[in-house]
Amino acid sequence: AQSVAQPEDQVNVAEGNPLTVKCTYSVSGNPYLFWYVQYPNRGLQFLLKYITGDNLVKGSYGFEAEFNKSQTSFHLKKPSALVSDSALYFCAVRALNSGNTPLVFGKGTRLSVIA
Amino acid sequence: DGGITQSPKYLFRKEGQNVTLSCEQNLNHDAMYWYRQDPGQGLRLIYYSQIVNDFQKGDIAEGYSVSREKKESFPLTVTSAQKNPTAFYLCASTPLTGPGDYFYTFGSGTRLTVV
Repeated sequence: AQSVAQPEDQVNVAEGNPLTVKCTYSVSGNPYLFWYVQYPNRGLQFLLKYITGDNLVKGSYGFEAEFNKSQTSFHLKKPSALVSDSALYFCAVRALNSGNTPLVFGKGTRLSVIA
Repeated sequence: DGGITQSPKYLFRKEGQNVTLSCEQNLNHDAMYWYRQDPGQGLRLIYYSQIVNDFQKGDIAEGYSVSREKKESFPLTVTSAQKNPTAFYLCASTPLTGPGDYFYTFGSGTRLTVV
């Protein structure tokens, strides 16, 4: 079975400070990992994904994520937070060789960036 | 522009009524998905389809039905058997041509309210 945990419901950070949104996963075999962002009353927007290769993945809007196989984590990071980064963030996973099974999403982490 | 369109944006349902949510994509994507979003519960999979005239139940299919008569369209019907339908519904699609192309594009969602 595939699962994702986002241990923090809410993350608060001051503008200009670095931010981290945590994600851990469980899959059989190699993972296919994603981060999405959602603004109020909108659909989810793709930020970045990891398939294989470099453990540090760079994505949209200055976000990046670090894949750590030993810790089964895929934390989202940004060096300097903006107020406009305030949104709901979702981590998602599926096994890479799972025959196109659907993504499993975490419960989301609400990021609040304070000016 | 290519994209995925959900309509209506807001929908109100009376007790005992069936309602249908529309999802159309012009991305030539193979697979389409319906998710339900409730506060604090993340995204839960209702149904998905990877090919025309075929679909599979997700984790919370009871009280819902779907069809996939055309590649571009994947409507969701919320039946009177769904006892708590008030939620935000999200449709997504993805190509299945290979891992490098695989990521969900989401519609902007339909908010369904029981009145």
